[in-house]
Amino acid sequence: GQNIDQPTEMTATEGAIVQINCTYQTSGFNGLFWYQQHAGEAPTFLSYNVLDGLEEKGRFSSFLSRSKGYSYLLLKELQMKDSASYLCAVTNAGNMLTFGGGTRLMVKP
Amino acid sequence: SQTIHQWPATLVQPVGSPLSLECTVEGTSNPNLYWYRQAAGRGLQLLFYSVGIGQISSEVPQNLSASRPQDRQFILSSKKLLLSDSGFYLCAWHRDTGELFFGEGSRLTVL
Repeated sequence: GQNIDQPTEMTATEGAIVQINCTYQTSGFNGLFWYQQHAGEAPTFLSYNVLDGLEEKGRFSSFLSRSKGYSYLLLKELQMKDSASYLCAVTNAGNMLTFGGGTRLMVKP
Repeated sequence: SQTIHQWPATLVQPVGSPLSLECTVEGTSNPNLYWYRQAAGRGLQLLFYSVGIGQISSEVPQNLSASRPQDRQFILSSKKLLLSDSGFYLCAWHRDTGELFFGEGSRLTVL
């Protein structure tokens, strides 16, 4: 089976940096995804990590350590529009995605 | 271009009534398709997935069923809705790059 843990809520200030952690336990790991979901909307793809290390994409970066079963999403220069839920998802050898419960990020002025 | 659409976007149904949510994909062939449900404030729960016409796998025993009558069509149904069926239903398509690409979602309220 698969188990994915991430904090339920986080609060950060506009312009700051925030790190959202995700730990997982899975059999047949085949990659880790981060999605952003605004309230009432469908999730949108942010990043994909299959190898260890940091993937940078603009203000967002995602890190993976397969040996530790750990990933984080780093958001820099926070903007009010970054207030959303961030979903960590792990895929196994069968390409099935299992999602964590999501972290609701509130950005305050 | 490759797109995924689902409808209706919103519906309010009484307990015991039937349900049909439809999802279609354009711009690809033989896609892997998924139905997820998201209860209020919760994560995404995989309900069904399909790798081809007539091929349905159920992840969780539910008051729901799914069908794939055509290559790019995926339907979620129920004969009698329960209060616990309320939620945000998302159809998704598995792209070759590995990511799931979601439809707009269907918000169901059962009263």
